[in-house]
Amino acid sequence: ETGVTQTPRHLVMGMTNKKSLKCEQHLGHNAMYWYKQSAKKPLELMFVYSLEERVENNSVPSRFSPECPNSSHLFLHLHTLQPEDSALYLCASSQDRGVNTEAFFGQGTRLTVV
Amino acid sequence: QKEVEQDPGPLSVPEGAIVSLNCTYSNSAFQYFMWYRQYSRKGPELLMYTYSSGNKEDGRFTAQVDKSSKYISLFIRDSQPSDSATYLCAMSGKGGFKTIFGAGTRLFVKA
Repeated sequence: ETGVTQTPRHLVMGMTNKKSLKCEQHLGHNAMYWYKQSAKKPLELMFVYSLEERVENNSVPSRFSPECPNSSHLFLHLHTLQPEDSALYLCASSQDRGVNTEAFFGQGTRLTVV
Repeated sequence: QKEVEQDPGPLSVPEGAIVSLNCTYSNSAFQYFMWYRQYSRKGPELLMYTYSSGNKEDGRFTAQVDKSSKYISLFIRDSQPSDSATYLCAMSGKGGFKTIFGAGTRLFVKA
């Protein structure tokens, strides 16, 4: 167990649905991240939160909406997704945003958009 | 040109073989080089971390960085079936560079 828990592990949703992914870290870290992992593609950084403040948003479509209510929890709200959004969504945390700081990943949510 | 290039494989080797996994990169500002291992249905976990050029050894694993060639490698000696996983290289640099990941190489070690 890495100390980063994601729920649900699997999610199937229609294009008109609204759903949320949840991430919780028990490591006392100050930075949290959302990544998208598609088959045979590099991990894509979506959002970065540091001390509950969003510090990075890498041109992610507005149908993805992050929320960080406190330093231990991170959500990704999903609405009107497209089939190409089907992927593994990984949450990660690190002590801080330093470039040499180890990131701890959750097990991911496997999302399928139908 | 992608910032980080990594052959996705799959790479299949017999148990006991020496495995060589590689990445090339284009940004000379990268200074921190990492290898993550990702088992099926799991998130990535940090395996090795190297700063700048040189080698680093940890048990059966050796990470090698050649900054002049912009080339990094991970060697696995006496490979085991439990080493079967996807290996992702990652790198970052000073000045606010975010961590850039390779696509990952899928490794199968056959018993």
